[in-house]
Amino acid sequence: SQTIHQWPATLVQPVGSPLSLECTVEGTSNPNLYWYRQAAGRGLQLLFYSVGIGQISSEVPQNLSASRPQDRQFILSSKKLLLSDSGFYLCAWSVALGGETQYFGPGTRLLVL
Amino acid sequence: AQSVAQPEDQVNVAEGNPLTVKCTYSVSGNPYLFWYVQYPNRGLQFLLKYITGDNLVKGSYGFEAEFNKSQTSFHLKKPSALVSDSALYFCAVRNYGQNFVFGPGTRLSVLP
Repeated sequence: SQTIHQWPATLVQPVGSPLSLECTVEGTSNPNLYWYRQAAGRGLQLLFYSVGIGQISSEVPQNLSASRPQDRQFILSSKKLLLSDSGFYLCAWSVALGGETQYFGPGTRLLVL
Repeated sequence: AQSVAQPEDQVNVAEGNPLTVKCTYSVSGNPYLFWYVQYPNRGLQFLLKYITGDNLVKGSYGFEAEFNKSQTSFHLKKPSALVSDSALYFCAVRNYGQNFVFGPGTRLSVLP
């Protein structure tokens, strides 16, 4: 069966510091991968998605970036965090084609002080 | 543009009573429709989806949803609510080959 992992679970970082959040998927090959941000326990904002290694699409311009160095690894980064980057970051995966379900990881809570 | 509306920010229901969480959408074509549930500080869990076929879809934990094409709605229902059903519920739509569009979420509180 497929599983999706995210780490760290929680992170407290000062403004201006770098960020690296990692997401890995097990039990499937060539998944579509997604990064979402959820603010204040409400709606989801799609940040990035990837259909393959090295292929990243950005939905919202901001100081975050994403990379996919391996088939089942998706990384969210920032060179300098802003206060507004605080939130709950969710990684998700889906089968590559069709209207298949997205499956979410446990999330990372980021607090920027 | 695609959009999903969940008109109720909060739904309160007594334990044992039926519950409904509403969802309407504005999407061209024949979208796929989904419901997810989120417990505090957790990721979203898939509940059910409508792709095609029977308008009444049954999912996890006794939940079901009814697709109504003419009203562009996909309301989530459960015949008898449990306190443990209290959570944040998201409706989502997706056209083939496109990304998901999520609603803003509805917070369900089941009172003992």
